[in-house]
Amino acid sequence: EAQVTQNPRYLITVTGKKLTVTCSQNMNHEYMSWYRQDPGLGLRQIYYSMNVEVTDKGDVPEGYKVSRKEKRNFPLILESPSPNQTSLYFCASRPGAGESYGYTFGSGTRLTVV
Amino acid sequence: SQKIEQNSEALNIQEGKTATLTCNYTNYSPAYLQWYRQDPGRGPVFLLLIRENEKEKRKERLKVTFDTTLKQSLFHITASQPADSATYLCAPDTGRRALTFGSGTRLQVQP
Repeated sequence: EAQVTQNPRYLITVTGKKLTVTCSQNMNHEYMSWYRQDPGLGLRQIYYSMNVEVTDKGDVPEGYKVSRKEKRNFPLILESPSPNQTSLYFCASRPGAGESYGYTFGSGTRLTVV
Repeated sequence: SQKIEQNSEALNIQEGKTATLTCNYTNYSPAYLQWYRQDPGRGPVFLLLIRENEKEKRKERLKVTFDTTLKQSLFHITASQPADSATYLCAPDTGRRALTFGSGTRLQVQP
């Protein structure tokens, strides 16, 4: 089944403790992206990647890091999480650039930082 | 700056009626526009995309229009059903980078 898999689904952590949210897709997609969703603010783009080793900042990149060493994986790293990073996070992928394709989204990761 | 506007107020309609949702954008020149459905706590699901040279696109009970002069897209669900209740997101797409989404309009279909 074609899908984007995020882990974990739920995570409660403490301020300052480094964490990684994993994202993997099995569709050989070039584009991958991370979004966060907060009530009243909608989906906001954190980082995106147009291909392996190519990443760029979205609208709200502060406090986050990403890497794209393999085409299928695009982990989101919070080096020192803070309470304002409590949110619902989504990873998404789509085939590539130059044409418009719909995104396939993961099931989401609900992160709470206390 | 680029801006996407969707009606933040929920749209309540009766089952069987046509729901019409609006997406307006400014400071964009998208070549495409996408629509998604999102259920609470779940990831958005892609529904339709329309190209700038297409005035209208249909898929089953869904219809999307795209007016690049007005900078507006309309999303219609005909013969609406309670199962159509969800939040609908639009995303103008230049095709060159990752998508930016509108904040969505919540649709509630009453039986």
